[in-house]
Amino acid sequence: NAGVTQTPKFQVLKTGQSMTLQCAQDMNHEYMSWYRQDPGMGLRLIHYSVGAGITDQGEVPNGYNVSRSTTEDFPLRLLSAAPSQTSVYFCASTTTGGGLAGRYEQYFGPGTRLTVT
Amino acid sequence: GNSVTQMEGPVTLSEEAFLTINCTYTATGYPSLFWYVQYPGEGLQLLLKATKADDKGSNKGFEATYRKETTSFHLEKGSVQVSDSAVYFCALRGGSNYKLTFGKGTLLTVNP
Repeated sequence: NAGVTQTPKFQVLKTGQSMTLQCAQDMNHEYMSWYRQDPGMGLRLIHYSVGAGITDQGEVPNGYNVSRSTTEDFPLRLLSAAPSQTSVYFCASTTTGGGLAGRYEQYFGPGTRLTVT
Repeated sequence: GNSVTQMEGPVTLSEEAFLTINCTYTATGYPSLFWYVQYPGEGLQLLLKATKADDKGSNKGFEATYRKETTSFHLEKGSVQVSDSAVYFCALRGGSNYKLTFGKGTLLTVNP
C-alpha cells in the first residue's frame, strides 16, 4: 500500500511551458484534491474531485486544469506556466471510514516543488 | 466563510521546554478541528483531531482541546524534543465533509 504518490518531486519550467503533475492513490478513495503551499499562506485548495468523472474548483483554480478518468489518478495540468505558479503542490485523498480522524481523514502525498522562471 | 488563524512563527524553543501554538477559528455550525504536522521535505501528517466541543485530541505527547466558547484549538506539549521541529498547521472541516481550511502554519525549531 503506497498511499498517495506524486511525481515529479522537483520541476523547473520556463514561463509559457506546460506540464502535468501526477498524483495516484491505491486506497480506493473517492475524494481527491490538489493544494498549493506558499510561504505565509498555508495550504490553498486548487481543485478537487468527489469521484471519477467529477471535478470542481477550489479556492485558487485559475491557471490549472484537472480531470479524473479513474479512481486512482488525479493529474493537475498547467497549460501555460507563470512565475506566480512557483509553489509546492500537494495532492491528498480522503477516506470515508476508519483512521485517526475517523471518516474523511485526508492523506497527503510528499509534494512536488515547482519553480517557474 | 470558514477561516483559521494561528500564531505566526517562527517559534524557537530549547529541548524540554513547554510548547503552545495558538489557533482560533471562524466557522458556521460545528466544525471538526485538526492539527497537522509537516516535517522537512515531507507532506502533511494528521497529528490530532477533535470533533465536538470540549473534546481533547492527543497524540505523541501533543494535546489540544476544542473550546467552542473561545473558538480556539490551541496545541500544547509539555516537553518538546529536537525531533518535534516541523511546521504545524491548524485546520477545520466545516460544512463540506471533504474540504479542509488551513491556517498559515507555524514553524517550530527545537534546539538541543
